[in-house]
Amino acid sequence: QTVVTQEPSLTVSPGGTVTLTCASSTGAVTSGYYPNWFQQKPGQAPRALIYSTRNKYSWTPARFSGSLLGGKAALTLSGVQPEDEAEYYCLLYYGGVQGVFGGGTKLTVL
Amino acid sequence: QVQLQESGPGLVKPSETLSLTCTVSGYSINSGYYWGWVRQPPGKGLEWIGTIYHDGSTYNNPSLKSRVTISIDTSNNQFSLKLDSVTAADTAVYYCARVGLALTADIFHLDYWGQGTLVTVSS
Repeated sequence: QTVVTQEPSLTVSPGGTVTLTCASSTGAVTSGYYPNWFQQKPGQAPRALIYSTRNKYSWTPARFSGSLLGGKAALTLSGVQPEDEAEYYCLLYYGGVQGVFGGGTKLTVL
Repeated sequence: QVQLQESGPGLVKPSETLSLTCTVSGYSINSGYYWGWVRQPPGKGLEWIGTIYHDGSTYNNPSLKSRVTISIDTSNNQFSLKLDSVTAADTAVYYCARVGLALTADIFHLDYWGQGTLVTVSS
C-alpha cells in the first residue's frame, strides 16, 4: 500500500513564507511522479493549484510555487495572505490513470 | 468554462448500491480527457476512486476492488459511478473531476472539479 505523507499542520504569519512537503513511501519523489497540489477551504471542493511539479493554472496566484526539495515535492507560499488559510493536498502519480493523495496539511495563518 | 455537477441520492441503505452521475458542461466529454471520481469522508482526506475515458476504458482503485463501476454516456455528456454493497465507511462527499493525462507532454492533473455531493450510508 503506497502512502503519501504531508505535514499534518503548519502555521505561518501573514506576509511570511512557508513550504509544504509531500513524501512517498516508495522513495524519493521525482518529476516522474507529476506532483499536483490542491487547496481546499471548508465546505468547498478542492481547487487545483499546481500540476506536474511546478506548472500553474491561469487562476493560480503568483505567490504559489511548486518544486522538488530533498526528495520530496514541495509547495511554497511567499507573501502569505489570510485567505491562504486552508487544507492543502498533494497528489502523486504511480502509473495507470490515477494517483494517490497525501493526507493533507492544515495551514493556519496567524 | 468547464463545469461539472454531481447528482444522485444523498442517502443509501447499507448493502445497497450508491449511484451518482456527473454532468459536464462547457466541454465535450469526447474530447481527449479522462474523467474521474474522488471521495472524501467527513473530516478526512481525499481518495481516488476511479477514472474513465470516452472509449469506455476504466481504471479503478484496487482498494475498492470490484465494487466500483464507472460508465460514460457521451450523448448526454455525462459519466456515472456505481458502488456496490456500501457500508457506513462509504459515507463521504463524492467529487467528479476532469483528468488530464499526457505524460509525454508532462501532463497529469485534475483541473476542474464538481462541487461535490454528500452521500450518507445509513438505514
